[in-house]
Amino acid sequence: DAGVIQSPRHEVTEMGQEVTLRCKPISGHDYLFWYRQTMMRGLELLIYFNNNVPIDDSGMPEDRFSAKMPNASFSTLKIQPSEPRDSAVYFCASYEPETYGYTFGSGTRLTVV
Amino acid sequence: AQTVTQSQPEMSVQEAETVTLSCTYDTSESDYYLFWYKQPPSRQMILVIRQEAYKQQNATENRFSVNFQKAAKSFSLKISDSQLGDAAMYFCAYLVEEGGSEKLVFGKGTKLTVNP
Repeated sequence: DAGVIQSPRHEVTEMGQEVTLRCKPISGHDYLFWYRQTMMRGLELLIYFNNNVPIDDSGMPEDRFSAKMPNASFSTLKIQPSEPRDSAVYFCASYEPETYGYTFGSGTRLTVV
Repeated sequence: AQTVTQSQPEMSVQEAETVTLSCTYDTSESDYYLFWYKQPPSRQMILVIRQEAYKQQNATENRFSVNFQKAAKSFSLKISDSQLGDAAMYFCAYLVEEGGSEKLVFGKGTKLTVNP
């Protein structure tokens, strides 16, 4: 298995633009998590899915953030419109409960200028 | 709310020496999981070691071991024979069960420098 795959690895965009981050979880993992990492706040959970259904989005900072999981092999995190304070590294992770196995992607570094 | 505290923002160690990174957590649960993750400059989050709270024996993985003190809610990571490749951010994490699912809550991290 190639692990959790995120794209793009880096994204630089201008304030006000729409940004879409992508994630392909490990096949067979029922849970998918989106985390945001900043120097000030560390790793924060934004939202997670179970069997493609959003379970808890209480960590999503604002209505500008939205996430979808249309099928078991793909998820997106969208920011519209983006702002400089959204600059961070965004991680996707998939989880297999039977083994308590959390696997992280390599992250997307987002810079909003 | 469950919290994880890493009181050492930065640590340094000489190559081949031993270093211990501290972590405390807050929980009312009796059965849970604790983790240490390593994040090198490549940004990848790499699982270093995992501890089940119901196990009294401390987990070990080669040069990495933990000192798990359940009553004190302490979970420190010991790195023996430190190598240059051990330089990274280290995050302590606690697995929280909420709403029928498990999610990781992270500490703020400790930056480890290994001096040659």
